[in-house]
Amino acid sequence: SQTIHQWPATLVQPVGSPLSLECTVEGTSNPNLYWYRQAAGRGLQLLFYSVGIGQISSEVPQNLSASRPQDRQFILSSKKLLLSDSGFYLCALEPEWDEQFFGPGTRLTVL
Amino acid sequence: AQSVAQPEDQVNVAEGNPLTVKCTYSVSGNPYLFWYVQYPNRGLQFLLKYITGDNLVKGSYGFEAEFNKSQTSFHLKKPSALVSDSALYFCAVRDGEGTDKLIFGTGTRLQVFP
Repeated sequence: SQTIHQWPATLVQPVGSPLSLECTVEGTSNPNLYWYRQAAGRGLQLLFYSVGIGQISSEVPQNLSASRPQDRQFILSSKKLLLSDSGFYLCALEPEWDEQFFGPGTRLTVL
Repeated sequence: AQSVAQPEDQVNVAEGNPLTVKCTYSVSGNPYLFWYVQYPNRGLQFLLKYITGDNLVKGSYGFEAEFNKSQTSFHLKKPSALVSDSALYFCAVRDGEGTDKLIFGTGTRLQVFP
């Protein structure tokens, strides 16, 4: 069965600092991978998705970026964090065009 | 374009009573429909899905959902609510005719009172 790891679990960063969140998956090959952000415990905002190594699609223009250097690794980055980047970041994998499986999430607070 | 709506921000129900969380959708082709649950500070957990076949789908933790094509709905139901069912519930849809992304509703908070 698939397993999704996200770290760190929580992160507090000052405005203007860089960011790197990592997501790794196990138990599957060549999955579709997704980054979502959830604000205030409500709806999910799709940020990026990837259908393969080096293939990234961006859904919302912002100061975040994503990379997929390996089949089972998906990284979310920023060069300079904004207050509005605070939220709960979720990584998800999709083995095929079917249901998605979610990681435990990273709680980011930008001060 | 596909879309999904969850018209209720919050649903309150007494423990032991039946619960319903509503979801309606819009797709151009045949819908793939999903329900997820999220507990505080956790990732989303898959509950059930409808792809094809019987309109009544049974899932985890005693939940079920009924696909109604004429009303374009996929309401989540449970015959007897538990306090532990209190959580945030998301409906999601994908257009089965293609490989469009999964679209999530805005979520409904279920509160079950003892």
